[in-house]
Amino acid sequence: SQKIEQNSEALNIQEGKTATLTCNYTNYSPAYLQWYRQDPGRGPVFLLLIRENEKEKRKERLKVTFDTTLKQSLFHITASQPADSATYLCALEAGATNKLIFGTGTLLAVQP
Amino acid sequence: GAGVSQSPSNKVTEKGKDVELRCDPISGHTALYWYRQRLGQGLEFLIYFQGNSAPDKSGLPSDRFSAERTGESVSTLTIQRTQQEDSAVYLCASSLGTTGNEQFFGPGTRLTVL
Repeated sequence: SQKIEQNSEALNIQEGKTATLTCNYTNYSPAYLQWYRQDPGRGPVFLLLIRENEKEKRKERLKVTFDTTLKQSLFHITASQPADSATYLCALEAGATNKLIFGTGTLLAVQP
Repeated sequence: GAGVSQSPSNKVTEKGKDVELRCDPISGHTALYWYRQRLGQGLEFLIYFQGNSAPDKSGLPSDRFSAERTGESVSTLTIQRTQQEDSAVYLCASSLGTTGNEQFFGPGTRLTVL
């Protein structure tokens, strides 16, 4: 069956450290993988998109890697800040419709 | 410019009643999506519109759920004869419509079925 798995447990880190979040998938061959941030009571906000032929993408303190052999994406936040505390969702594009299939998300808590 | 808006923000209804949820996408976005998010869960895809047509309705959980979009703009999601398991946040998103584009989400409608 098709699955997208993210760290189910909350990730607690100290301010200034690098947070690394994992997204693993099975039985998909996505052309694109996206990462979103979701704060309580709000809709997800787009962060980064990476294509299947890209190994790595960066934007400011964010970095995403995409390994289609391992079927895994890693999402890194460097020099983390308490304001980075949120739930982070990975999502695969499935088919030709840009429909997104989401993982359940990982809650990140950055302690000051 | 304005982002995606949804109304109402909260809806409490009694089991068996019909509800209608509204989404106003970003102007010019031809693609529109509805997702459902149950408490503590990820987002589940419901339906996709390209313009006014719905090429992918595969996520609608039952025939009690329907959606339409008019004028390549506003969309409404209707749930008939609501059940308690329909309680969730219903999120709408829009995008430029081709693959490889980010989706812009509204704040969602929190539906509670008593």
